[in-house]
Amino acid sequence: NAGVMQNPRHLVRRRGQEARLRCSPMKGHSHVYWYRQLPEEGLKFMVYLQKENIIDESGMPKERFSAEFPKEGPSILRIQQVVRGDSAAYFCASSPPTFLGQYFGPGTRLTVL
Amino acid sequence: GQQVMQIPQYQHVQEGEDFTTYCNSSTTLSNIQWYKQRPGGHPVFLIQLVKSGEVKKQKRLTFQFGEAKKNSSLHITATQTTDVGTYFCAGPPTGNQFYFGTGTSLTVIP
Repeated sequence: NAGVMQNPRHLVRRRGQEARLRCSPMKGHSHVYWYRQLPEEGLKFMVYLQKENIIDESGMPKERFSAEFPKEGPSILRIQQVVRGDSAAYFCASSPPTFLGQYFGPGTRLTVL
Repeated sequence: GQQVMQIPQYQHVQEGEDFTTYCNSSTTLSNIQWYKQRPGGHPVFLIQLVKSGEVKKQKRLTFQFGEAKKNSSLHITATQTTDVGTYFCAGPPTGNQFYFGTGTSLTVIP
């Protein structure tokens, strides 16, 4: 059973470009969470999704950020018109419907030049 | 909203010494989870505690959940260099959000 997969692992963008981060949850997991982590800091909740539904996006900036978890395919976190302050590690985590912990992907390290 | 505080923020120990990190909540928690993140890595789920006063062990790691279900601790006996990393606690979702503690960064000096 493959773990949570994220790609790309590293992403470099120039200011103003778009960043697309992908997350494939573990098999059988229908809940996906996205977190942001700055160096030497903790995990900041961004958004919680289930298949085709955004359950809670209150941790995500209302502008430039969006997330989806389509019926088919991975969950995608999209950042439009990136700025230097968006540079961070973005982690995706998944859990089964009967929640017993979150399983994290390896993360995408986004660098905005 | 729910506040989950962890102390200490940093801890340096000599290899072989014990280590403890504490997690405190302002509200009663239905459960608490612990995660470990190695430097440059991703958080890894360690354990979930549910019952008041619960104690669970994983080899040299001992996890406790307070009687009032407002605090928890992780104790490592005889630390090894492989224990290096940041240890996070996380409370149950408030609404749909999970709040992770600020983390304790453990450095083990060989």
